[in-house]
Amino acid sequence: GQQLNQSPQSMFIQEGEDVSMNCTSSSIFNTWLWYKQDPGEGPVLLIALYKAGELTSNGRLTAQFGITRKDSFLNISASIPSDVGIYFCAGQGNAGNMLTFGGGTRLMVKP
Amino acid sequence: GAVVSQHPSWVICKSGTSVKIECRSLDFQATTMFWYRQFPKQSLMLMATSNEGSKATYEQGVEKDKFLINHASLTLSTLTVTSAHPEDSSFYICSAPGQGNSPLHFGNGTRLTVT
Repeated sequence: GQQLNQSPQSMFIQEGEDVSMNCTSSSIFNTWLWYKQDPGEGPVLLIALYKAGELTSNGRLTAQFGITRKDSFLNISASIPSDVGIYFCAGQGNAGNMLTFGGGTRLMVKP
Repeated sequence: GAVVSQHPSWVICKSGTSVKIECRSLDFQATTMFWYRQFPKQSLMLMATSNEGSKATYEQGVEKDKFLINHASLTLSTLTVTSAHPEDSSFYICSAPGQGNSPLHFGNGTRLTVT
């Protein structure tokens, strides 16, 4: 199936630094979601965005739904070692429908 | 919040045998569930959509006779990998939409290793 273009593919940063990752698509989505996946586990929802232009925060995480509905970004401020993992963006056409996933951003944080 | 339980979390089987993976919605009903497959260092790829009371919808390239899906109740979908081969070794993850406009929630995945 279709994949979203997610970048960067990986990041290796120092603890305390801010992180930014984004996803773009050629298709419009009605919902953008950001998940984090730890090794050997299923993805865990971080932030859900439902409206174009919406900016939502969850603790140190902030995500925005692009105004064109074809892109989204996720920022993590003041990174800590437990932020390590793979972050996936996902687009959803209609509520309850399947998700299309980005390729993932592997985040590594150096203490 | 909505919880999806997947079992087993890992399984090792011999080539040629069949393996069944269960996906349950614990505190909500799910008429639809989704099965994904994830190979190492790759993203999640949708395999099929499981529909309660009707046939599953398979994505292009996924063999329906090999990956049998049964959605027998509003809280349970099963994926059976039939006649498994080493190339079927992967991480299988199910998901279900929660109530109303709730986004998809994922199970913890099943690591299948075929020897």
